[in-house]
Amino acid sequence: QKEVEQDPGPLSVPEGAIVSLNCTYSNSAFQYFMWYRQYSRKGPELLMYTYSSGNKEDGRFTAQVDKSSKYISLFIRDSQPSDSATYLCAMRGYNFNKFYFGSGTKLNVKP
Amino acid sequence: GAGVSQSPRYKVAKRGQDVALRCDPISGHVSLFWYQQALGQGPEFLTYFQNEAQLDKSGLPSDRFFAERPEGSVSTLKIQRTQQEDSAVYLCASSLPRGGGAMGNTIYFGEGSWLTVV
Repeated sequence: QKEVEQDPGPLSVPEGAIVSLNCTYSNSAFQYFMWYRQYSRKGPELLMYTYSSGNKEDGRFTAQVDKSSKYISLFIRDSQPSDSATYLCAMRGYNFNKFYFGSGTKLNVKP
Repeated sequence: GAGVSQSPRYKVAKRGQDVALRCDPISGHVSLFWYQQALGQGPEFLTYFQNEAQLDKSGLPSDRFFAERPEGSVSTLKIQRTQQEDSAVYLCASSLPRGGGAMGNTIYFGEGSWLTVV
């Protein structure tokens, strides 16, 4: 069993929809939770990170962490065609130098 | 440079050939990471450098894989006697601070070196 599980999709939504992306994990030592966006043939780019449990909002993006359930989410409001990409969750412990990534969810926002 | 630069971008190697993949991190970045991303998968950790010291190489899949960062800037990932299962994108990332704590979350990835072993 992988340490981080993520539904690979693909997820197809109309422009303007609210998108929900999720990951589950098994290692209770994880404390930092991140979401990356990866366009085709590009490297991942950091969208946002959250420490421990709680919510964090940045523009149209909201990240949620529920450590008791070992479950994290990324919500995208008013989705745009330019949001079409693969979204990767990633996490690590306080002293870890390695990030553990999910397998990525491919999102397609249709105009 | 403005970002993490990797070369070559694309490499086709015959099975058994040795390859070397280069990473130029963002200038002044202390931490450097190598990840391997198979098609349709998330990146998998290979190794981590803090300056020239390789502090973690637990993700290297076999002794055919070797990484170095002799002067604490440019890094090279070498794969000896390549096998078909080595076909993947090799991502390099760097960050300014040392690992650990909140500051260690902002790592910048390059566009990757796409390796195909035939």
